[in-house]
Amino acid sequence: QSALTQPPSASGSPGQSVTISCTGTSSDVGGYNYVSWYQQYPGKAPRLMIFDVYKRPSGVPDRFSGSKSGNTASLTVSGLQAEDEADYFCSSYAGINNWVFGGGTRLTVL
Amino acid sequence: EVQLVESGGGLVQPGGSLRLSCAASGFTVTSHHMHWVRQAPGKGLEWVTYIRSSGSIIYSDSVKGRFIVSRDNAKNALYLQMNSLRDEDTAVYHCAREPSGQLTFDYWGQGTLVTVSS
Repeated sequence: QSALTQPPSASGSPGQSVTISCTGTSSDVGGYNYVSWYQQYPGKAPRLMIFDVYKRPSGVPDRFSGSKSGNTASLTVSGLQAEDEADYFCSSYAGINNWVFGGGTRLTVL
Repeated sequence: EVQLVESGGGLVQPGGSLRLSCAASGFTVTSHHMHWVRQAPGKGLEWVTYIRSSGSIIYSDSVKGRFIVSRDNAKNALYLQMNSLRDEDTAVYHCAREPSGQLTFDYWGQGTLVTVSS
């Protein structure tokens, strides 16, 4: 099983908002502000969407936002668009040269 | 444009060896920390190893003593020599770039599939 827990699926209609959770422990998500979120289309390379919990790389729409509370991080996609349909997974630095990942969430735009 | 392209995956028997390559373009591999991350079928991602810009290397416990990461400055490439392969090493292997010290992965390759099976 993955070190970080994500729901296997999430969905929303175009224009709506959806939030994906990523739950870890005090040794990873709760202990460091180094949570990242990635978007991945089938067979493609993952794309960094959020780093350091809430920061967006240049080129990522501001519809994507990140937050954290305790041991749970969240990715919110606002104003859902058809192209947002993809897999999303989280990662966290877990100290001493170690990174952990979530199992991924399939986002469906209805 | 930054690009990472993996190659070298395939079918190998348990106990066998395989060498993966990751060709980088748009930046130099020696100026960033470079990682290997794998994803077993139907499972989440797992961090495998990385080579820091300084050249120091760290391995996960699951591959320590069996895998060797290296880089070639002239070819601007990253490699993963995988020895004593086990069934549980079956996965898509991605190389990924970490902006040094930022503890995130800003560019990934699409991966190469390694299947360990008799």
